[in-house]
Amino acid sequence: QKEVEQDPGPLSVPEGAIVSLNCTYSNSAFQYFMWYRQYSRKGPELLMYTYSSGNKEDGRFTAQVDKSSKYISLFIRDSQPSDSATYLCAMSRNSGNTPLVFGKGTRLSVIA
Amino acid sequence: DAGITQSPRHKVTETGTPVTLRCHQTENHRYMYWYRQDPGHGLRLIHYSYGVKDTDKGEVSDGYSVSRSKTEDFLLTLESATSSQTSVYFCAIRGQGSGNTIYFGEGSWLTVV
Repeated sequence: QKEVEQDPGPLSVPEGAIVSLNCTYSNSAFQYFMWYRQYSRKGPELLMYTYSSGNKEDGRFTAQVDKSSKYISLFIRDSQPSDSATYLCAMSRNSGNTPLVFGKGTRLSVIA
Repeated sequence: DAGITQSPRHKVTETGTPVTLRCHQTENHRYMYWYRQDPGHGLRLIHYSYGVKDTDKGEVSDGYSVSRSKTEDFLLTLESATSSQTSVYFCAIRGQGSGNTIYFGEGSWLTVV
């Protein structure tokens, strides 16, 4: 079993829909959880960062972490065509010399 | 903008030739990373550095070497390029504070023919 699993999609939704993107993981030591957004032919950009369990909201974006289920989610409300991108989850054990482990990314298309 | 510059941005090279990709940062970050990204594999860590002359291998380090002789530059070298090394390469730096968040450069597209 891979450390981080992420459905690659593609996921296609109409403009204005609520989007749910998810990752599962196997390592219970993960404490730091991130979501990156990557537009075509660009580098990934940090979208959300969460430490341990709980929710974090930033505008139309909400990140959720459920450590008991080893499951993280990113919700996008009122999705826009500009949200069309690949979304990657990432996580790590601690804040030391530990590289992030990435999911393979989910490709999202928001259709106007 | 994380102050990362990658060069070259695009390169076509022949099998068997050495290739060096450069990552330059302007904000004195200690940690720097090289990833490759391929369809079906996602982002995979090649090598990383936690200081000048301090480097370590990632999960796909075979065929690659790195050097960091000064804080601002992290070089990735393909000793003898192969077609399997055709990929997009991303440099990243670790941000100050906020856990292990990292920030990526714009990528270097390498084609080995």
